[in-house]
Amino acid sequence: AAGVIQSPRHLIKEKRETATLKCYPIPRHDTVYWYQQGPGQDPQFLISFYEKMQSDKGSIPDRFSAQQFSDYHSELNMSSLELGDSALYFCASSSDRGREKLFFGSGTQLSVL
Amino acid sequence: AQKITQTQPGMFVQEKEAVTLDCTYDTSDQSYGLFWYKQPSSGEMIFLIYQGSYDEQNATEGRYSLNFQKARKSANLVISASQLGDSAMYFCAMREGNYGQNFVFGPGTRLSVLP
Repeated sequence: AAGVIQSPRHLIKEKRETATLKCYPIPRHDTVYWYQQGPGQDPQFLISFYEKMQSDKGSIPDRFSAQQFSDYHSELNMSSLELGDSALYFCASSSDRGREKLFFGSGTQLSVL
Repeated sequence: AQKITQTQPGMFVQEKEAVTLDCTYDTSDQSYGLFWYKQPSSGEMIFLIYQGSYDEQNATEGRYSLNFQKARKSANLVISASQLGDSAMYFCAMREGNYGQNFVFGPGTRLSVLP
């Protein structure tokens, strides 16, 4: 069965650079979530989309933005990267507007040097 | 305030024994869902089991069962016959309301299975 696909798997950037993370949800899932997980932390909700519209916002810095495209894939754009942005970034998708369980991608490990 | 509490930062269990990982939650919603996810050292987040607030039966998925006590607001995960591959972080999570927008995780419990 198709799963949530995230790319890249690993990303190394320098301070003040920009990064773009991509997420391809499971086909026919209508809700996409982005989470940030720092070392030894639980995942923190950043932002979610329902049917390509932003539906909820969590602790997402103003330097970050995200969107969902017509083919349902989503991108998280991160600018002016800081050392503290180093984390594992998960994308998850769900059906039935999030009533069903969330399926997670393998995550993108971002390291900011 | 923390919506999900997992009071055991770390747990040890002997291989083939059962183990219970605690989870308590806080919500004023009548409709909500409770989830457990496993995160091995490789990093991926793996869905284990789900319990809806209106489900009368405790959820079971193979060796995993969820001990749901609604009045106590607890949703403990029971793993029977532990295996070495069960060593991982385990997160309890909750979806509040009818839609999935509010989906939060607990701090996690690191389970180590001993041979």
